[in-house]
Amino acid sequence: DTGVSQDPRHKITKRGQNVTFRCDPISEHNRLYWYRQTLGQGPEFLTYFQNEAQLEKSRLLSDRFSAERPKGSFSTLEIQRTEQGDSAMYLCASSPDLVTEAFFGQGTRLTVV
Amino acid sequence: AQSVTQPDIHITVSEGASLELRCNYSYGATPYLFWYVQSPGQGLQLLLKYFSGDTLVQGIKGFEAEFKRSQSSFNLRKPSVHWSDAAEYFCAVGTGFQKLVFGTGTRLLVSP
Repeated sequence: DTGVSQDPRHKITKRGQNVTFRCDPISEHNRLYWYRQTLGQGPEFLTYFQNEAQLEKSRLLSDRFSAERPKGSFSTLEIQRTEQGDSAMYLCASSPDLVTEAFFGQGTRLTVV
Repeated sequence: AQSVTQPDIHITVSEGASLELRCNYSYGATPYLFWYVQSPGQGLQLLLKYFSGDTLVQGIKGFEAEFKRSQSSFNLRKPSVHWSDAAEYFCAVGTGFQKLVFGTGTRLLVSP
């Protein structure tokens, strides 16, 4: 088990383009979380899944953002019509349950130019 | 609403000196509290957590933190800092590990 894996590690895109990030959680972790971290700030919660069900979404997750976890394993986060304000590190984490440590991936750094 | 305040943006400590990073929180119920560390280009690593019980909690890498309900604080301490401790430290509050609310972080610099 190599931990939480995120792909790509870095993404540069032009404003208005769509981007998709992937997160592979630790196997058998049924909870998966997405956070966004902008420069000089702490991570901010975006959404989380229990198995394939998306149980909560932050108000930060505008209608341009969509997250899926179709088979309860890997997850994708798509941003449509990217804006410069979307530039951030997108972090994924997974845990087996509510009270056991959530392990974070190394993140995907998005730069919108 | 839940919130976390880390009043120190940067702290510089000499190697071998003691360290205390401050964290104050606002939470409506009994909080679950966490300290994470983030090294450049790395993800977040959990140092320690407080759910209940003994208010002094021990973590990895020689860190400890004390929960003080009366002060709404959860300060992180280490008796002797090593150069490898230089990183960004985040305090967080939540209900278990879901939907954590993080502070803005404190960057620790370690001088020789």
